[in-house]
Amino acid sequence: GESVGLHLPTLSVQEGDNSIINCAYSNSASDYFIWYKQESGKGPQFIIDIRSNMDKRQGQRVTVLLNKTVKHLSLQIAATQPGDSAVYFCAEKDSSYKLIFGSGTRLLVRP
Amino acid sequence: EAQVTQNPRYLITVTGKKLTVTCSQNMNHEYMSWYRQDPGLGLRQIYYSMNVEVTDKGDVPEGYKVSRKEKRNFPLILESPSPNQTSLYFCASRSGLAGDTQYFGPGTRLTVL
Repeated sequence: GESVGLHLPTLSVQEGDNSIINCAYSNSASDYFIWYKQESGKGPQFIIDIRSNMDKRQGQRVTVLLNKTVKHLSLQIAATQPGDSAVYFCAEKDSSYKLIFGSGTRLLVRP
Repeated sequence: EAQVTQNPRYLITVTGKKLTVTCSQNMNHEYMSWYRQDPGLGLRQIYYSMNVEVTDKGDVPEGYKVSRKEKRNFPLILESPSPNQTSLYFCASRSGLAGDTQYFGPGTRLTVL
């Protein structure tokens, strides 16, 4: 079946460093990808998205990269701050418009 | 403020006692859905609704019911809860089936004893 997976369940980074969170997807027909951030006790919060006709998209301190050749998605967070500590999910929208979520990566920011 | 609200936020109940978790959105979104989140399993869709009176099963619909009588509300009903339905539940909405940004509610933590 289709799946969205993550390489690392937990990522620990030093405050001020850049963070890279990776995600692999298996549905080559997916045309839209999203990153969500989920803080403890809260619902997932939209961070950034990218369509399949793009390779890169930048937001405020965040960049999403899409490599369709290897079906890989990454989220880069520049100058990671303590407030970035959370679980990050990637999600893909397939041809039936359904969102499929990965299991999440926990980002820990060390002071 | 655009938001999705859920109630209650926390609920402890016993097996077999019917319960309803309410969900409401103020963005006039057509598409709404319910997810459950379990450790190691991520977010799994329970039911979704593409518009008023239009609902369909997601990946894990067994033991749940929904209704969509009004555009803004999408309650989740557990007719006879069981312990395996202990989970964290999220309601979500987006502008349409093809709509992009999906907004989530704050979550309802349900414990079934």
